[in-house]
Amino acid sequence: NAGVTQTPKFQVLKTGQSMTLQCAQDMNHNSMYWYRQDPGMGLRLIYYSASEGTTDKGEVPNGYNVSRLNKREFSLRLESAAPSQTSVYFCASSDPTSGGARAKNIQYFGAGTRLSVL
Amino acid sequence: DAKTTQPNSMESNEEEPVHLPCNHSTISGTDYIHWYRQLPSQGPEYVIHGLTSNVNNRMASLAIAEDRKSSTLILHRATLRDAAVYYCILRPTSGTYKYIFGTGTRLKVLA
Repeated sequence: NAGVTQTPKFQVLKTGQSMTLQCAQDMNHNSMYWYRQDPGMGLRLIYYSASEGTTDKGEVPNGYNVSRLNKREFSLRLESAAPSQTSVYFCASSDPTSGGARAKNIQYFGAGTRLSVL
Repeated sequence: DAKTTQPNSMESNEEEPVHLPCNHSTISGTDYIHWYRQLPSQGPEYVIHGLTSNVNNRMASLAIAEDRKSSTLILHRATLRDAAVYYCILRPTSGTYKYIFGTGTRLKVLA
């Protein structure tokens, strides 16, 4: 019962390099999210996908792109990494449109990707 | 988006109850109150949520003020494994998929 799986767990990049963070969920959820968490801070929403085929910007989308590849997978791409993007990245999923009240309100998070940009 | 205010940190002795407060004075009538916690080096995990009435589950209890401008997460018997950052979040009942995380309350449990 994997839940939300993120790869890689750790990554070090040089300024200007590109990379894609992968996220997959096996709970048949419609909605998926990408957050970043800087040291000592709460999570900030980068992008989200309410359902397959749709994506929308969150609080801090600049410097990122996303792809909702299918219902299971939601990737985050850094085209030209900058030191300011050093952070821990979390993917989450939820299904706000089905199930009971409890099920509708829960977001499930992955273990995170720790990214350093030098 | 309505925001929440929490103390930066709290301490509790093991096996004692813990009351974690949250102020949300700009809450609207359609906002659910959610609590998540984040253990060290892990992603957040759901704890509990409520709308108007107090709620209990196996992890905790949620007490909601009558005017809904504040709430309290209650851990009945804190254990060392409850040491985490606890986030209080408001989520509208429909039309949005966004959570606004604040900085949360870091709970330290003393043995």
